[in-house]
Amino acid sequence: EAGVAQSPRYKIIEKRQSVAFWCNPISGHATLYWYQQILGQGPKLLIQFQNNGVVDDSQLPKDRFSAERLKGVDSTLKIQPAKLEDSAVYLCASSPRVQGDGANVLTFGAGSRLTVL
Amino acid sequence: GNSVTQMEGPVTLSEEAFLTINCTYTATGYPSLFWYVQYPGEGLQLLLKATKADDKGSNKGFEATYRKETTSFHLEKGSVQVSDSAVYFCAFSPSGGYQKVTFGIGTKLQVIP
Repeated sequence: EAGVAQSPRYKIIEKRQSVAFWCNPISGHATLYWYQQILGQGPKLLIQFQNNGVVDDSQLPKDRFSAERLKGVDSTLKIQPAKLEDSAVYLCASSPRVQGDGANVLTFGAGSRLTVL
Repeated sequence: GNSVTQMEGPVTLSEEAFLTINCTYTATGYPSLFWYVQYPGEGLQLLLKATKADDKGSNKGFEATYRKETTSFHLEKGSVQVSDSAVYFCAFSPSGGYQKVTFGIGTKLQVIP
């Protein structure tokens, strides 16, 4: 099966500019996640979608970050305006409905590396 | 609140040495526990998992046992190889609800020949 696709792989912008990242999850996966991974840290959940509805966006800086998942398939994460501290890798992941053993296993994309100058 | 604490790295070992990376969690109920690995230049991928107390997850020679009494899920491997050099992340997902997955800070492992 095809994996989680993300683009662009790399993006360099200046502060106060805007940027958008795109993610196409594994076909049939109901849940889609956006994580932010700052260098040297673990991934931090920004937003979690169940189909096309948001189920957790408690750590999303809503004054500058937005995300949507139209039609419950692919998703876009936008940052406007960007700050220096937004430099990070933005990871998209998807998961099917919870497996029979109760585990929620995520499949990650390669990530989009953002550098804000 | 729910959280996971993971030993900080980096960890440097010689080939064939024994590996332990400690991980403890704070959560109510019976969360699912995971180890994910990130090899150089690659994306995060699941290494192993356990979903109930005393379960042992295993893969590629790595093992971790879900210890409810000590709220731990330490990663072990009896004999590491250079190809095991990577960053290892402990993670957990609470039972029920939308099962948000929370990650630790990651432990970088370097294995030298």
